[in-house]
Amino acid sequence: QQQVKQSPQSLIVQKGGISIINCAYENTAFDYFPWYQQFPGKGPALLIAIRPDVSEKKEGRFTISFNKSAKQFSLHIMDSQPGDSATYFCAASTNTGNQFYFGTGTSLTVIP
Amino acid sequence: ETGVTQSPTHLIKTRGQQVTLRCSSQSGHNTVSWYQQALGQGPQFIFQYYREEENGRGNFPPRFSGLQFPNYSSELNVNALELDDSALYLCASSLVQVETDTQYFGPGTRLTVL
Repeated sequence: QQQVKQSPQSLIVQKGGISIINCAYENTAFDYFPWYQQFPGKGPALLIAIRPDVSEKKEGRFTISFNKSAKQFSLHIMDSQPGDSATYFCAASTNTGNQFYFGTGTSLTVIP
Repeated sequence: ETGVTQSPTHLIKTRGQQVTLRCSSQSGHNTVSWYQQALGQGPQFIFQYYREEENGRGNFPPRFSGLQFPNYSSELNVNALELDDSALYLCASSLVQVETDTQYFGPGTRLTVL
């Protein structure tokens, strides 16, 4: 059973546009929600992370929106650039921290 | 770059063989987690080691085993390889303190089982 459900599977955005990727979870014990970016042949790299005590976190062009009551969180990439073309994974973990549950990934393509 | 290194980069084995993958943690990190990432999928948790002891295990059979050494480097061993074991194997290091801390991933080892 997929603990974290991610959508869409793929996304095509024009340069300068906003990319939005959504994730949903069921386990209310999750208390840490990171987003990772992965380029072909590389390991996932941490982009930004949030804890459920805040509803939004922004770092540069990347923003996480978190809705605790709906058990949903999303990644917004503002002013999307061709260099942002990669696969993005959401993840979740409980406070024991010993297992990250990953979504199935979103392949983002930013068209120049 | 995260400072997490893995070796080898690529590996080809045949069904039934055994394989050992290695991981060197980021400096100062005391915890290593191993993940399996099949093509087109998200990473799946195999197990975690904290202070040389297994600290959690995912839904993987006992033929997947591991070690953590005093310098916090780690090995993943897989016995009796099966075709479905073909995947990218990722290790991630973290510093376990009071609450969950993020995991920093290495570049992975691409294992192909023929």
